Amino acid sequence: SAVISQKPSRDICQRGTSLTIQCQVDSQVTMMFWYRQQPGQSLTLIATANQGSEATYESGFVIDKFPISRPNLTFSTLTVSNMSPEDSSIYLCSVERPMNTEAFFGQGTRLTVV
Amino acid sequence: KNQVEQSPQSLIILEGKNCTLQCNYTVSPFSNLRWYKQDTGRGPVSLTIMTFSENTKSNGRYTATLDADTKQSSLHITASQLSDSASYICVVRDSSGAGSYQLTFGKGTKLSVIP
Repeated sequence: SAVISQKPSRDICQRGTSLTIQCQVDSQVTMMFWYRQQPGQSLTLIATANQGSEATYESGFVIDKFPISRPNLTFSTLTVSNMSPEDSSIYLCSVERPMNTEAFFGQGTRLTVV
Repeated sequence: KNQVEQSPQSLIILEGKNCTLQCNYTVSPFSNLRWYKQDTGRGPVSLTIMTFSENTKSNGRYTATLDADTKQSSLHITASQLSDSASYICVVRDSSGAGSYQLTFGKGTKLSVIP
């Protein structure tokens, strides 16, 4: 298994500001991901955080809005930039072991933009 | 387009009763199917993971079934407890090839267990 520490657990932010979410894993992992979960919706993959190179973003998500850092194999950050109320959501980091095994999730960051 | 559909959207049951949640998927090529439990304000936690060749897998009071021919799965909860109140998410992974990664998530079934 993998223990993932994600913080902050929740935050209320003013529109136009930015929030950086941190994700720390208790062991080295190759694959680390960031998801968004809007109310009543399924999880949507934002991007794959790549160690040593730029993150790989899914359709509809761009680096200017969601910059991601991955300085090593145990840590990543996601920044939600220039926030608007539409960014209010739960953001989750996740890791997956190689060989197609299960994914582990952080406890999530509940973001409210006012 | 890969899709995962879950039913019902929500369910209320009495403590001690059994229930079954459904998951239909159109994910190809199929790699595995997972059921997760997500408590309010928490991240999803894995309950079961099944590959193509597995029909049934249990984890305590949770039993998942998979019919790869009809592309259906179910999660059966036995003797429900108040702590089972959560959202249950069906997730299917495809196997598009080396270096490719794609999980398709259902919207979840919100289960409420009442005394």
